[in-house]
Amino acid sequence: GQQVMQIPQYQHVQEGEDFTTYCNSSTTLSNIQWYKQRPGGHPVFLIQLVKSGEVKKQKRLTFQFGEAKKNSSLHITATQTTDVGTYFCAPGRSGGSNYKLTFGKGTLLTVNP
Amino acid sequence: DADVTQTPRNRITKTGKRIMLECSQTKGHDRMYWYRQDPGLGLRLIYYSFDVKDINKGEISDGYSVSRQAQAKFSLSLESAIPNQTALYFCATSVPHGGRETQYFGPGTRLLVL
Repeated sequence: GQQVMQIPQYQHVQEGEDFTTYCNSSTTLSNIQWYKQRPGGHPVFLIQLVKSGEVKKQKRLTFQFGEAKKNSSLHITATQTTDVGTYFCAPGRSGGSNYKLTFGKGTLLTVNP
Repeated sequence: DADVTQTPRNRITKTGKRIMLECSQTKGHDRMYWYRQDPGLGLRLIYYSFDVKDINKGEISDGYSVSRQAQAKFSLSLESAIPNQTALYFCATSVPHGGRETQYFGPGTRLLVL
């Protein structure tokens, strides 16, 4: 399956600081999904990016898909304690049928109140 | 997601024992998956199934088997558990829709093999 490198592995921030996690691939991706897993919880779908250079926003979260479709990022503005968790990227297969996702190893975000 | 349930939620077993983890869903999705999660390793796919008659190996299927008893049920078995199968196991479902196929995860089963 497609391999992605997700960095950083861990990130600790003070509440109110910004946070960014990156997902990098050596091959061109057809699309990419992002999931969030709260501590003790299960992964929950956040968003899917499909188009080159696409930017989507969900309140304080901004998701970007690189122009070459080889990388993606998730940026959180002014983190809150509710943002704590592990964020996973998952590249999808061509044609949009993501039945066999390969998840990145995730970035664990902790927020100091 | 409450539509995907897993039993048991926690299990402690001994090396060599056979155990079964069960997954049920009320979402009506044809596609179901089993993942394991280990600290620092993310989610790795064990097996997946597109319908009742379809079973496919994932990247780490050795030591595991599955059964798709019905559209709504997908069970994972460890025929002879070993300590390195200690992990958090997730079941998930999906259905393609409008060019997207979101995966919906169950709450997970935490397994400890002594």
